[in-house]
Amino acid sequence: DQQVKQNSPSLSVQEGRISILNCDYTNSMFDYFLWYKKYPAEGPTFLISISSIKDKNEDGRFTVFLNKSAKHLSLHIVPSQPGDSAVYFCAASENRDDKIIFGKGTRLHILP
Amino acid sequence: NAGVMQNPRHLVRRRGQEARLRCSPMKGHSHVYWYRQLPEEGLKFMVYLQKENIIDESGMPKERFSAEFPKEGPSILRIQQVVRGDSAAYFCASSPSPSWWSEQFFGPGTRLTVL
Repeated sequence: DQQVKQNSPSLSVQEGRISILNCDYTNSMFDYFLWYKKYPAEGPTFLISISSIKDKNEDGRFTVFLNKSAKHLSLHIVPSQPGDSAVYFCAASENRDDKIIFGKGTRLHILP
Repeated sequence: NAGVMQNPRHLVRRRGQEARLRCSPMKGHSHVYWYRQLPEEGLKFMVYLQKENIIDESGMPKERFSAEFPKEGPSILRIQQVVRGDSAAYFCASSPSPSWWSEQFFGPGTRLTVL
Protein backbone atom coordinates (compact mmCIF):
# COMPACT_ATOMS: atom_id res chain seq x y z
CA ASP A 1 0.00 0.00 0.00
CA GLN A 2 1.64 3.19 -1.21
CA GLN A 3 1.57 5.94 1.36
CA VAL A 4 3.17 8.52 -0.94
CA LYS A 5 1.90 8.66 -4.51
CA GLN A 6 3.27 10.45 -7.52
CA ASN A 7 0.76 9.64 -10.22
CA SER A 8 2.61 11.23 -13.12
CA PRO A 9 5.60 9.12 -14.16
CA SER A 10 6.84 11.89 -16.44
CA LEU A 11 6.30 15.52 -17.30
CA SER A 12 7.60 17.70 -20.12
CA VAL A 13 7.82 21.48 -19.75
CA GLN A 14 9.15 24.19 -22.00
CA GLU A 15 12.26 25.98 -20.76
CA GLY A 16 11.30 29.20 -18.98
CA ARG A 17 7.80 28.00 -18.07
CA ILE A 18 6.58 26.73 -14.72
CA SER A 19 6.97 23.06 -13.80
CA ILE A 20 4.43 21.69 -11.34
CA LEU A 21 5.04 18.28 -9.81
CA ASN A 22 2.28 16.75 -7.73
CA CYS A 23 2.23 14.34 -4.83
CA ASP A 24 -0.55 12.79 -2.76
CA TYR A 25 -0.28 10.94 0.52
CA THR A 26 -2.56 8.75 2.55
CA ASN A 27 -1.04 8.77 6.03
CA SER A 28 -2.53 11.60 8.08
CA MET A 29 0.30 11.19 10.61
CA PHE A 30 2.87 12.57 8.18
CA ASP A 31 4.25 15.82 9.50
CA TYR A 32 7.23 16.53 7.26
CA PHE A 33 7.33 16.49 3.50
CA LEU A 34 10.37 16.60 1.29
CA TRP A 35 11.36 16.78 -2.33
CA TYR A 36 14.50 15.17 -3.69
CA LYS A 37 16.07 15.54 -7.10
CA LYS A 38 17.97 12.71 -8.76
CA TYR A 39 20.17 12.71 -11.83
CA PRO A 40 21.03 9.45 -13.61
CA ALA A 41 23.85 7.50 -11.97
CA GLU A 42 23.75 9.74 -8.91
CA GLY A 43 22.09 9.53 -5.53
CA PRO A 44 19.12 11.72 -4.62
CA THR A 45 19.86 15.18 -3.31
CA PHE A 46 17.61 16.99 -0.88
CA LEU A 47 15.85 19.92 -2.51
CA ILE A 48 13.25 21.48 -0.24
CA SER A 49 11.01 20.55 2.66
CA ILE A 50 7.88 21.71 4.42
CA SER A 51 6.43 20.93 7.80
CA SER A 52 2.73 20.44 8.35
CA ILE A 53 2.38 23.72 10.24
CA LYS A 54 3.04 25.61 7.02
CA ASP A 55 1.29 25.65 3.69
CA LYS A 56 4.11 27.10 1.63
CA ASN A 57 7.88 27.12 1.62
CA GLU A 58 9.98 28.92 -0.94
CA ASP A 59 13.66 28.61 -1.82
CA GLY A 60 14.76 30.50 -4.90
CA ARG A 61 13.06 29.03 -7.96
CA PHE A 62 11.52 26.22 -5.91
CA THR A 63 8.29 26.48 -3.94
CA VAL A 64 6.48 23.67 -2.19
CA PHE A 65 2.79 23.97 -1.39
CA LEU A 66 1.00 21.78 1.14
CA ASN A 67 -2.75 21.21 1.34
CA LYS A 68 -3.26 19.08 4.42
CA SER A 69 -7.00 18.71 4.06
CA ALA A 70 -6.52 17.28 0.57
CA LYS A 71 -3.38 15.36 1.58
CA HIS A 72 -1.67 16.89 -1.41
CA LEU A 73 1.56 18.72 -2.01
CA SER A 74 3.16 20.17 -5.08
CA LEU A 75 6.55 21.45 -6.14
CA HIS A 76 6.68 24.48 -8.40
CA ILE A 77 9.82 25.33 -10.33
CA VAL A 78 9.84 28.68 -12.03
CA PRO A 79 11.36 29.46 -14.40
CA SER A 80 12.29 25.94 -15.49
CA GLN A 81 15.85 25.47 -16.69
CA PRO A 82 17.55 22.67 -18.67
CA GLY A 83 19.44 21.56 -15.56
CA ASP A 84 16.12 20.85 -13.87
CA SER A 85 15.67 17.76 -16.06
CA ALA A 86 15.83 14.96 -13.50
CA VAL A 87 13.66 12.58 -11.51
CA TYR A 88 11.90 14.24 -8.58
CA PHE A 89 10.90 12.21 -5.55
CA CYS A 90 8.30 13.31 -3.08
CA ALA A 91 8.85 11.92 0.42
CA ALA A 92 7.27 12.17 3.85
CA SER A 93 7.91 11.27 7.46
CA GLU A 94 5.87 11.30 10.63
CA ASN A 95 8.39 13.48 12.42
CA ARG A 96 11.90 14.84 12.03
CA ASP A 97 13.44 11.72 13.46
CA ASP A 98 11.37 9.11 11.66
CA LYS A 99 12.15 7.19 8.52
CA ILE A 100 11.38 8.70 5.14
CA ILE A 101 8.76 7.19 2.84
CA PHE A 102 9.41 7.92 -0.84
CA GLY A 103 7.08 8.13 -3.81
CA LYS A 104 7.96 6.47 -7.11
CA GLY A 105 9.21 9.67 -8.66
CA THR A 106 8.31 11.88 -11.63
CA ARG A 107 10.73 12.31 -14.50
CA LEU A 108 10.84 15.96 -15.56
CA HIS A 109 12.01 16.86 -19.05
CA ILE A 110 12.74 20.51 -19.76
CA LEU A 111 12.36 21.15 -23.47
CA PRO A 112 14.48 23.77 -25.24
CA ASN B 1 35.59 16.83 1.44
CA ALA B 2 34.65 13.71 -0.46
CA GLY B 3 31.01 12.77 -0.55
CA VAL B 4 29.47 9.43 0.32
CA MET B 5 31.24 6.72 -1.64
CA GLN B 6 29.80 3.42 -2.67
CA ASN B 7 31.48 0.53 -4.38
CA PRO B 8 31.20 -1.21 -6.57
CA ARG B 9 29.01 0.99 -8.72
CA HIS B 10 27.82 -2.02 -10.68
CA LEU B 11 27.73 -5.60 -9.47
CA VAL B 12 26.65 -8.66 -11.41
CA ARG B 13 25.95 -11.90 -9.59
CA ARG B 14 24.44 -15.23 -10.53
CA ARG B 15 21.57 -16.63 -8.54
CA GLY B 16 22.80 -18.22 -5.33
CA GLN B 17 25.95 -16.10 -5.03
CA GLU B 18 26.68 -13.53 -2.37
CA ALA B 19 26.69 -9.77 -2.94
CA ARG B 20 28.66 -7.36 -0.77
CA LEU B 21 27.98 -3.65 -1.13
CA ARG B 22 30.21 -1.09 0.54
CA CYS B 23 29.48 2.40 1.73
CA SER B 24 32.03 4.89 3.03
CA PRO B 25 30.23 7.77 4.73
CA MET B 26 31.29 11.36 4.48
CA LYS B 27 34.11 12.39 6.77
CA GLY B 28 32.78 13.08 10.24
CA HIS B 29 29.54 11.17 9.64
CA SER B 30 28.89 8.25 11.96
CA HIS B 31 25.32 7.44 10.91
CA VAL B 32 24.59 5.33 7.84
CA TYR B 33 21.30 4.47 6.17
CA TRP B 34 20.69 1.93 3.39
CA TYR B 35 17.88 2.20 0.86
CA ARG B 36 16.80 -0.03 -2.01
CA GLN B 37 15.20 1.15 -5.21
CA LEU B 38 13.52 -1.57 -7.23
CA PRO B 39 12.84 -0.86 -10.93
CA GLU B 40 10.11 1.75 -11.40
CA GLU B 41 9.80 2.22 -7.64
CA GLY B 42 10.81 4.82 -5.07
CA LEU B 43 13.57 4.33 -2.56
CA LYS B 44 12.65 2.15 0.40
CA PHE B 45 14.41 2.35 3.75
CA MET B 46 16.22 -0.83 4.75
CA VAL B 47 18.43 -0.23 7.77
CA TYR B 48 19.96 2.50 9.93
CA LEU B 49 23.33 1.93 11.60
CA GLN B 50 25.73 3.78 13.81
CA LYS B 51 29.26 2.62 14.39
CA GLU B 52 29.07 -0.99 15.61
CA ASN B 53 25.32 -0.75 16.20
CA ILE B 54 22.18 -1.49 14.23
CA ILE B 55 19.65 1.11 15.27
CA ASP B 56 16.69 0.27 13.06
CA GLU B 57 16.46 -2.67 10.68
CA SER B 58 12.72 -2.59 10.21
CA GLY B 59 13.06 -2.36 6.42
CA MET B 60 15.40 -5.31 6.01
CA PRO B 61 14.05 -8.51 4.49
CA LYS B 62 13.91 -11.18 7.17
CA GLU B 63 16.29 -13.58 5.45
CA ARG B 64 19.53 -13.39 3.46
CA PHE B 65 20.14 -9.67 4.14
CA SER B 66 22.48 -8.30 6.78
CA ALA B 67 24.30 -5.05 7.41
CA GLU B 68 27.17 -3.90 9.54
CA PHE B 69 29.07 -0.72 10.24
CA PRO B 70 32.32 -1.66 12.01
CA LYS B 71 34.43 0.64 14.12
CA GLU B 72 36.91 0.87 11.28
CA GLY B 73 36.10 0.68 7.60
CA PRO B 74 33.01 1.04 5.47
CA SER B 75 29.48 -0.08 6.13
CA ILE B 76 28.67 -3.36 4.38
CA LEU B 77 25.31 -4.54 3.09
CA ARG B 78 25.49 -8.27 2.49
CA ILE B 79 23.00 -10.29 0.50
CA GLN B 80 23.40 -14.04 0.64
CA GLN B 81 22.11 -16.44 -2.02
CA VAL B 82 20.90 -13.67 -4.29
CA VAL B 83 17.74 -14.10 -6.34
CA ARG B 84 16.56 -12.21 -9.42
CA GLY B 85 14.23 -10.10 -7.28
CA ASP B 86 17.26 -8.62 -5.51
CA SER B 87 18.21 -6.78 -8.72
CA ALA B 88 17.92 -3.13 -7.77
CA ALA B 89 19.85 0.03 -7.04
CA TYR B 90 21.09 0.17 -3.46
CA PHE B 91 21.77 3.59 -2.04
CA CYS B 92 23.51 4.49 1.14
CA ALA B 93 23.27 7.83 2.90
CA SER B 94 25.19 9.25 5.83
CA SER B 95 24.64 12.00 8.36
CA PRO B 96 26.68 13.56 11.18
CA SER B 97 23.91 13.10 13.73
CA PRO B 98 20.74 11.06 14.11
CA SER B 99 18.76 12.65 11.35
CA TRP B 100 16.41 11.01 8.97
CA TRP B 101 16.44 13.61 6.30
CA SER B 102 17.62 17.08 7.02
CA GLU B 103 21.30 16.20 6.93
CA GLN B 104 21.40 12.98 4.99
CA PHE B 105 23.70 12.87 1.99
CA PHE B 106 23.29 10.06 -0.50
CA GLY B 107 25.95 8.13 -2.33
CA PRO B 108 25.72 7.36 -6.07
CA GLY B 109 24.36 3.89 -5.48
CA THR B 110 25.33 0.34 -6.41
CA ARG B 111 23.34 -1.25 -9.19
CA LEU B 112 23.02 -4.98 -8.54
CA THR B 113 22.06 -7.26 -11.39
CA VAL B 114 21.28 -10.88 -10.64
CA LEU B 115 21.45 -13.19 -13.65
